[in-house]
Amino acid sequence: DIQMTQSPSSLSTSVGDRVTITCRASQTINTYLNWYQQKPGGAPKVLIYTASSLQTGVPPRFSGSGSGTEFTLTITSLQPDDFATYYCQQSYIAPYTFGQGTKLEI
Amino acid sequence: QVQLQQWGAGLLKPSETLSLTCAVYGESLSGFYWSWIRQTPERGLEWIGDMSAAGSTKSTASLKSRVTLSVDTSKNEFSLRLNSVTAADTAMYYCARGVGWGSISAWFDPWGQGTPVIVSS
Repeated sequence: DIQMTQSPSSLSTSVGDRVTITCRASQTINTYLNWYQQKPGGAPKVLIYTASSLQTGVPPRFSGSGSGTEFTLTITSLQPDDFATYYCQQSYIAPYTFGQGTKLEI
Repeated sequence: QVQLQQWGAGLLKPSETLSLTCAVYGESLSGFYWSWIRQTPERGLEWIGDMSAAGSTKSTASLKSRVTLSVDTSKNEFSLRLNSVTAADTAMYYCARGVGWGSISAWFDPWGQGTPVIVSS
């Protein structure tokens, strides 16, 4: 199975900060990489798919980049609604696997 | 707008069978793969498997021997059965639509609301 490793596991941030989360795959996955946001008590919601495509309705302060084995999710000017846990997920090959998550804390 | 609504028994005893169903509203099952994903604090998010409307399925190797995935196109529903459960199967279970091409679920959107399942004697 492809292992997905996120860093950092948690991040203390403030409103207005620029945040970058990194996701590394144990083997190349081209651009088959997605980013999800999960808030307490809710299901994950896709933010970015295929590494850099912004899901409809997601604010443009979210962006994704990368290919191969290294990917980043960037949030410019963090908003109060953005404090959540973020997961990367590879869809290059089944079983589809997720990173362990990055929790953004105030 | 596509919505997934799921349900099933939330408290099981070891060796029993977990049974969950997910109803799809606003979209036909055809043309997509439909997944089950579970989440625990210890193991995080774990993809269980997926199925197409035509009945094609795939599942993760560690659960394959215990998993049954099925679809009911007449009701626009799909289901998960996991037999011989243990405490290790305690988790929040989600259904989700796989968006992609061919047999690939390139990303999952939307997700069901989740069903907490506890396995305890």
